[in-house]
Amino acid sequence: GAVVSQHPSRVICKSGTSVKIECRSLDFQATTMFWYRQFPKKSLMLMATSNEGSKATYEQGVEKDKFLINHASLTLSTLTVTSAHPEDSSFYICSARRAGGALNTEAFFGQGTRLTVV
Amino acid sequence: KNEVEQSPQNLTAQEGEFITINCSYSVGISALHWLQQHPGGGIVSLFMLSSGKKKHGRLIATINIQEKHSSLHITASHPRDSAVYICAAQAINTGTASKLTFGTGTRLQVTL
Repeated sequence: GAVVSQHPSRVICKSGTSVKIECRSLDFQATTMFWYRQFPKKSLMLMATSNEGSKATYEQGVEKDKFLINHASLTLSTLTVTSAHPEDSSFYICSARRAGGALNTEAFFGQGTRLTVV
Repeated sequence: KNEVEQSPQNLTAQEGEFITINCSYSVGISALHWLQQHPGGGIVSLFMLSSGKKKHGRLIATINIQEKHSSLHITASHPRDSAVYICAAQAINTGTASKLTFGTGTRLQVTL
């Protein structure tokens, strides 16, 4: 199957700093990538939909200035958590859909990033 | 009430047992996904289906569109099947790649 690589897998940062998480589709082009957040023992929550070459669409309640998303190419989307605080500590995971195919296509997920803000 | 409900929430089985995980949804969908999340967090897509039945190795997924219900079956379960299994409903497309709504997951533990 297609591969989505997410980096880093774990990061610990100090409160007030920013952290960038990368999501790459390694063997296919993805016009759309999705960013999710998962709290312990909870389901995934969609944060935003990232479209190549345009602004991301954020879900209600997600601060766009806090969680900056850039989808500069068909194989890379980045999520930057700005001025991180301990409450931002969570598991973040991306997924990607193939470009050019039917819109009802399989989703491929990255390995996830565990962010701890101290 | 969540749009996607899974049962059971937790499941313990002995190696070799036949396992069924159920998923009910209340929205119109274009497809239903079954995902597997291992303890490290990474998610693997197991199935995407919009009708009928799919089989891959020891895994079988079925869906009944009229009843808005899907099941994931694992035959001859093995400890390496221990993971969280998540069903996700894909909304009917509205022009862009449609979103997934996730169930809360079923935590499966298979013991020797």
